[in-house]
Amino acid sequence: DQQVKQNSPSLSVQEGRISILNCDYTNSMFDYFLWYKKYPAEGPTFLISISSIKDKNEDGRFTVFLNKSAKHLSLHIVPSQPGDSAVYFCAASYSGTYKYIFGTGTRLKVLA
Amino acid sequence: KAGVTQTPRYLIKTRGQQVTLSCSPISGHRSVSWYQQTPGQGLQFLFEYFSETQRNKGNFPGRFSGRQFSNSRSEMNVSTLELGDSALYLCASRPDSQETQYFGPGTRLLVL
Repeated sequence: DQQVKQNSPSLSVQEGRISILNCDYTNSMFDYFLWYKKYPAEGPTFLISISSIKDKNEDGRFTVFLNKSAKHLSLHIVPSQPGDSAVYFCAASYSGTYKYIFGTGTRLKVLA
Repeated sequence: KAGVTQTPRYLIKTRGQQVTLSCSPISGHRSVSWYQQTPGQGLQFLFEYFSETQRNKGNFPGRFSGRQFSNSRSEMNVSTLELGDSALYLCASRPDSQETQYFGPGTRLLVL
């Protein structure tokens, strides 16, 4: 049973445009969400997070939106750059448990 | 600070053998988690150790075990290897009372 789902295995976007990566979860107990980026032959690196008390969090070009009623979060990258090409994972947890459920990842390709 | 290190980076074993993977967390981090990444499955949580105690466990068979030492270094052991154990094994450490995990580069295990 996949509690965190990333239904788009891949996404291609032109440089300078917006990239939108989506993530759905099924467990309403999750209250903390994170996005990680992974390059080949490297471990995932933390990008941005959001707790369920917020519906938006921004960090530079990266913004995460949380829609609790729809159990949906999205990561927006504006403007997209070729260096953003990587696999993006969303993860969810019950805060304080430190047990994270990851999605299967979306491979983003930003075309120059 | 040095990042999370994992050794070895690559490993080839045959079915039925056992393997031990090592992880050194970021200095000062007492929490170490292990994940298995396979194509199409994302990152699947194996277990988390904190101050030498296993605090969380994922849904993996008992062939997968781990331990943590007093210096927070952790090892993961897989006994009686199966072909399906071929994967990237990732270790992550986390500062106390923070949600963000920092991943190592992983150990790629191939079981023949």
